[in-house]
Amino acid sequence: EAGVAQSPRYKIIEKRQSVAFWCNPISGHATLYWYQQILGQGPKLLIQFQNNGVVDDSQLPKDRFSAERLKGVDSTLKIQPAKLEDSAVYLCASRPLTVNFYEQYFGPGTRLTVT
Amino acid sequence: AQTVTQSQPEMSVQEAETVTLSCTYDTSESDYYLFWYKQPPSRQMILVIRQEAYKQQNATENRFSVNFQKAAKSFSLKISDSQLGDAAMYFCAYRRLSNSGYALNFGKGTSLLVTP
Repeated sequence: EAGVAQSPRYKIIEKRQSVAFWCNPISGHATLYWYQQILGQGPKLLIQFQNNGVVDDSQLPKDRFSAERLKGVDSTLKIQPAKLEDSAVYLCASRPLTVNFYEQYFGPGTRLTVT
Repeated sequence: AQTVTQSQPEMSVQEAETVTLSCTYDTSESDYYLFWYKQPPSRQMILVIRQEAYKQQNATENRFSVNFQKAAKSFSLKISDSQLGDAAMYFCAYRRLSNSGYALNFGKGTSLLVTP
C-alpha cells in the first residue's frame, strides 16, 4: 500500500511570495489533515477535511493560508503572501473514515524556508 | 483546550539500557486517546504506541511500554533495550474521543540520543 505522498520536499522562497504544497493521501482515506511544525515544536493542526468538506479550520490563518481538496482526494495548501514566521515543515496526514480507527498516516512533509 | 507538556527537551541513553520519556496533559474529558509518535530525521511521523483512556491496563508494544496515570494526567513512555535506531524526536499526543475531527494535539517533543 502506497503511503501519503507530498511534494515538494523542500521549498525556499522570499517573503511576500506565494507557495503551494500538494498532498496525495492513501487511497480510500476520507479524512485529510494539514499540520504545521515549526522548528522545536510539535505539529499543529491547520485544517482538516472529510472528503471534500472542511471539518476544522479554526487554526488556519485565513488571511494568507488557503486549502482545498477537490474531488475528495488530493489536497493543496497555499500561502499567499508568505511571512518569515511561516518557515516550518508542513505535514499532511490521512486516515479512513472508520469510527474509532485511531491511527493517522503521515507523509514525509514539505520543509518551507522563507527568507 | 487540551494541552500536552513534555518537560524533557533532550534525553540520552546508552545502547541496551532503558529510558523513560515523560508527558503530562490537561483535559476535562474522561474519554480520549493518548499516543507516542517517533519522528526520525526523515521527518516521517511513525506511531509507536497508543493508549485508550478507558483502559486501565498499560499498553505495550515489544520494547515500548507506557505508564498511564489517568488521575495524575501522566503518560510516560519506557523504551527497553534501547537501540541506535531509536534515536529520534518523540512526541506525545492527545486526541479527543468526542471530536469528529480526531485531530491530534502534540507536545513539543523530546529528542532522544542513543549512544553506543
